[in-house]
Amino acid sequence: GQQLNQSPQSMFIQEGEDVSMNCTSSSIFNTWLWYKQEPGEGPVLLIALYKAGELTSNGRLTAQFGITRKDSFLNISASIPSDVGIYFCAGQPNTNAGKSTFGDGTTLTVKP
Amino acid sequence: DAGVIQSPRHEVTEMGQEVTLRCKPISGHDYLFWYRQTMMRGLELLIYFNNNVPIDDSGMPEDRFSAKMPNASFSTLKIQPSEPRDSAVYFCASSFVRWGSPLHFGNGTRLTVT
Repeated sequence: GQQLNQSPQSMFIQEGEDVSMNCTSSSIFNTWLWYKQEPGEGPVLLIALYKAGELTSNGRLTAQFGITRKDSFLNISASIPSDVGIYFCAGQPNTNAGKSTFGDGTTLTVKP
Repeated sequence: DAGVIQSPRHEVTEMGQEVTLRCKPISGHDYLFWYRQTMMRGLELLIYFNNNVPIDDSGMPEDRFSAKMPNASFSTLKIQPSEPRDSAVYFCASSFVRWGSPLHFGNGTRLTVT
C-alpha cells in the first residue's frame, strides 16, 4: 500500500526558531493535507494543498505541494510554545476522495 | 457545528470483555472513518464507510473487531473479546465525499485493556 515517510520524527527547538518538516511518498497524491494534534485531542487540519507546486500560508505556517506530487513540506516561522504538538502530513489519491494516507508524525517541542 | 462526537472518552476494561465505541459524525458528511493510534504504529485506518456502507475494512486487525453504521448519524466499533494489545486511542473522523475534502476528527476514545 501507499506509505508516507515523514521527517524528522521529533524536534526540540527554542521559542522563536523556525521549523521545517517534510513528507515524501513513493506514490503520487493529488491532495496534501497537514494536521496538528494536541494532547488529548484529535488531529485538526492546518493547511490543504490541491495543486502541484502550490505554496499556501496560514499565519506563521507555510506549506508546499511538491512539483512531482510525491512530497510536501511544512514550515513554521517564529515558533511559540503553543506550537507544541504532533504534526501529520496526509496524502489523498485521485481515485478515492477522502481516503487519506497519514505519515507517522513529527513531534514538536518548543522550549520557552 | 458540534464536530465529530465520540463516546466514551476513556474506557478501562478487563481482557475478554466486550467494548463498544461510539461515534456521531458531522451532519451532512458522507464518509466516516475509524482510526487507531498507538506509539508503535501511528495512525492506522481500520475501516471506512461511504453513505453508511462499509467500503474498505482491510485495516481491521482481526475478526474480534467489527464496525457498523446503522444510519448517517451513528457508528459503532466493537471489540469482542478485548485483549491488552487492543489498548490504544481510537478516533472517528468524517468528511464530505468530494475530492480533496479534509477529515474532521473526534477527540478519540482512550481504551485500556488490562
